[in-house]
Amino acid sequence: AQKITQTQPGMFVQEKEAVTLDCTYDTSDPSYGLFWYKQPSSGEMIFLIYQGSYDQQNATEGRYSLNFQKARKSANLVISASQLGDSAMYFCAMREGTWGGAGSARQLTFGSGTQLTVLP
Amino acid sequence: DARVTQTPRDKVTEMGQEVTMRCQPILGHNTVFWYRQTMMQGLELLAYFRNRAPLDDSGMPKDRFSAEMPDATLATLKIQPSEPRDSAVYFCASGLRGNNTGELFFGEGSRLTVL
Repeated sequence: AQKITQTQPGMFVQEKEAVTLDCTYDTSDPSYGLFWYKQPSSGEMIFLIYQGSYDQQNATEGRYSLNFQKARKSANLVISASQLGDSAMYFCAMREGTWGGAGSARQLTFGSGTQLTVLP
Repeated sequence: DARVTQTPRDKVTEMGQEVTMRCQPILGHNTVFWYRQTMMQGLELLAYFRNRAPLDDSGMPKDRFSAEMPDATLATLKIQPSEPRDSAVYFCASGLRGNNTGELFFGEGSRLTVL
């Protein structure tokens, strides 16, 4: 089974509007972290936002917020007031286990991505 | 502004040739990851290191790929011999294990084309 599922291969949004990018995950580990990365056409991967499984509140970073619904195992990214520069591929990722704990380094597993296009 | 540095940015080579990609992690980061990105498979983990020791390289084709960290400032990924199916973008990422969240910082990638 896929650990991270992004069901929207492509999304369009009008400039200045809000957009939600979907992400569902699958894990039996009670401790995990969820991440969103942005990959513009230049190719680099840019970290946007993080949500820990024990965090009580949804994470926010500027115009980015993460709608974390633990029971539904979803971690949707909300971008408010879209800008043309937001056009990019967006990846949801998960780390299972505790990052700082003993054991392995805890790699990130990525979804297939959503291509977001912001229209002027 | 600290960042992960990867070289080369672009490499075109012929099948059978040796390819070496290099990565300089962010100073002080103690974990290093190699990922490969293709259209078909997306982002796949190839190998990762903690404190220069390899922890997992199960994602790599062992017969032709090798990953090393000669020192804390250099990680290498070598393909010998290269094949057309190795054409992809190879990303190096580093992280700080003492960091609370564990986000990884990615380099700009090395785009490999094997003819």
